[in-house]
Amino acid sequence: GEDVEQSLFLSVREGDSSVINCTYTDSSSTYLYWYKQEPGAGLQLLTYIFSNMDMKQDQRLTVLLNKKDKHLSLRIADTQTGDSAIYFCAEYTYSSASKIIFGSGTRLSIRP
Amino acid sequence: DVKVTQSSRYLVKRTGEKVFLECVQDMDHENMFWYRQDPGLGLRLIYFSYDVKMKEKGDIPEGYSVSREKKERFSLILESASTNQTSMYLCASRPGQASYEQYFGPGTRLTVT
Repeated sequence: GEDVEQSLFLSVREGDSSVINCTYTDSSSTYLYWYKQEPGAGLQLLTYIFSNMDMKQDQRLTVLLNKKDKHLSLRIADTQTGDSAIYFCAEYTYSSASKIIFGSGTRLSIRP
Repeated sequence: DVKVTQSSRYLVKRTGEKVFLECVQDMDHENMFWYRQDPGLGLRLIYFSYDVKMKEKGDIPEGYSVSREKKERFSLILESASTNQTSMYLCASRPGQASYEQYFGPGTRLTVT
């Protein structure tokens, strides 16, 4: 079956880099995502990566994909207070009836 | 811009009441989804629909039903609300099964007392 796992909490100092990690089990995943949820809001698609890519960069965000280890990470450079949120890792796979499977979310908190 | 709206941001209901949560999307998307979000458990899929009048059970359908009479609207129904259904409910839509981008509504925080 499919499963997506990530740690529940991460605390970083303002200005440092944040790295949020995720592991998944379904090797037939076609897309992998990072969603951001700010307090009291729904989920917003932050970035995604196709399974045939190793890396994707978008301004302060870097996504790394290690298909062999089924490991996905999100790096946020120069973390700001506005980055405080819950970050969800998710995978899309045809084998799960085209459903998107979400991890439990990592709550990122920023220390001054 | 895709917009997914949910009828209420906050709702308080009593045990045993019938509860309707409404979701509307304005982009002619075929697929719509209902999730519940609980701390430490992430998002769990309750029901989804690939087209009008079609519905499929997700991972936790017990105690819920859905209705999709029109393409733009997907309703989640709690036939007899219970306290363990206190949660954040999130609706989402997607253009089609082969589409990878899923859009979420702002969520409805339901409290059952």
